[in-house]
Amino acid sequence: AQSVSQHNHHVILSEAASLELGCNYSYGGTVNLFWYVQYPGQHLQLLLKYFSGDPLVKGIKGFEAEFIKSKFSFNLRKPSVQWSDTAEYFCAVKGAGSYQLTFGKGTKLSVIP
Amino acid sequence: EAQVTQNPRYLITVTGKKLTVTCSQNMNHEYMSWYRQDPGLGLRQIYYSMNVEVTDKGDVPEGYKVSRKEKRNFPLILESPSPNQTSLYFCASSLSLTGDQPQHFGDGTRLSIL
Repeated sequence: AQSVSQHNHHVILSEAASLELGCNYSYGGTVNLFWYVQYPGQHLQLLLKYFSGDPLVKGIKGFEAEFIKSKFSFNLRKPSVQWSDTAEYFCAVKGAGSYQLTFGKGTKLSVIP
Repeated sequence: EAQVTQNPRYLITVTGKKLTVTCSQNMNHEYMSWYRQDPGLGLRQIYYSMNVEVTDKGDVPEGYKVSRKEKRNFPLILESPSPNQTSLYFCASSLSLTGDQPQHFGDGTRLSIL
């Protein structure tokens, strides 16, 4: 069975600080990986996704993530956060060709102006 | 406008009273799914559907039923709701059968079972 682990429950940063949110997955095959963001009171939106090819994936709003197969990781990064990045971030994994998407428990990001 | 529509957005009801949460998408997506979101647990998949009349259990299917009689609709049915089903529910849809395409989420339905 696939699983996802997000290391940080709550991260607090000042504006302009750099961000890295950890995500590790467990699955014994080829994976598709996703990061979603949920702003307060809203539904989930896709930030970026990895299916194959270049392991460094760029998404919306200046976010990027790197797939490191040997570490089973897909960490999310942003060089300089803004107050508007305050949200909850979810990493998700799916076996390639599978229909089931498994989410991590989420990381809350609070950015202080 | 492409969207996933859930109804109702909020519902407070009592234990044992059957309820249905509807989900409709206008993108001709084949894949649809239901999740529940609980604090500290993230999103957990309840059921998913690969196409009309094809459904399968996710990680937490107990106490729920679904049906997929038409491509656009994927209702979630709680035959006898219990307080542990109090949660925020999201419906999602995706274009591809293999799920390589990202999912589009509805705005959520907050259920309170007393």
